Amino acid sequence: DQQVKQNSPSLSVQEGRISILNCDYTNSMFDYFLWYKKYPAEGPTFLISISSIKDKNEDGRFTVFLNKSAKHLSLHIVPSQPGDSAVYFCAASGLEGAQKLVFGQGTRLTINP
Amino acid sequence: EPEVTQTPSHQVTQMGQEVILRCVPISNHLYFYWYRQILGQKVEFLVSFYNNEISEKSEIFDDQFSVERPDGSNFTLKIRSTKLEDSAMYFCASSLDVNTEAFFGQGTRLTVV
Repeated sequence: DQQVKQNSPSLSVQEGRISILNCDYTNSMFDYFLWYKKYPAEGPTFLISISSIKDKNEDGRFTVFLNKSAKHLSLHIVPSQPGDSAVYFCAASGLEGAQKLVFGQGTRLTINP
Repeated sequence: EPEVTQTPSHQVTQMGQEVILRCVPISNHLYFYWYRQILGQKVEFLVSFYNNEISEKSEIFDDQFSVERPDGSNFTLKIRSTKLEDSAMYFCASSLDVNTEAFFGQGTRLTVV
């Protein structure tokens, strides 16, 4: 099941710079997208979401961009901080499965001092 | 801040045994979920629960699995006869509404030997 894909298993960014995490999806019925952050031995922590009627949502250092025509979303973190080092999961849900989140495989972000 | 709590954090069981994983969702949330993550794989949806009944389930959620809300606060996942391939991290989650973000617990690591 490759409905949600995060093609970069890992990303390394200098502290203070921008981190950009990418996610692609194939199911055009998805209309709600979320980003979660996960530390080892913890559950996913909700970061930010966006519905398909928007193309951008911002919350502090985190901004999510949605390009529906390309079926692509991205998470921008600026400025990146050491505490941002974690695995980031993109997830999607849709009208036909509104209660079911489909997750990507995650991208491990490392922020270097 | 309200959170989803799961017990135990780690459960080891023999193949063929029954296990019950427990969760206390956030108190005013109406939708409850179980997800699992097999080591090295994606987080996968198992089941969603609303108004005291299953509202959606995945192909993984076969007759060996059941969920219950035995009282006003707990939400449990039972696996009747565990198999080696049931070894995974099991996450409980809850959300206020069907199209709002789900909040995850810290997970229960189930090891079937």
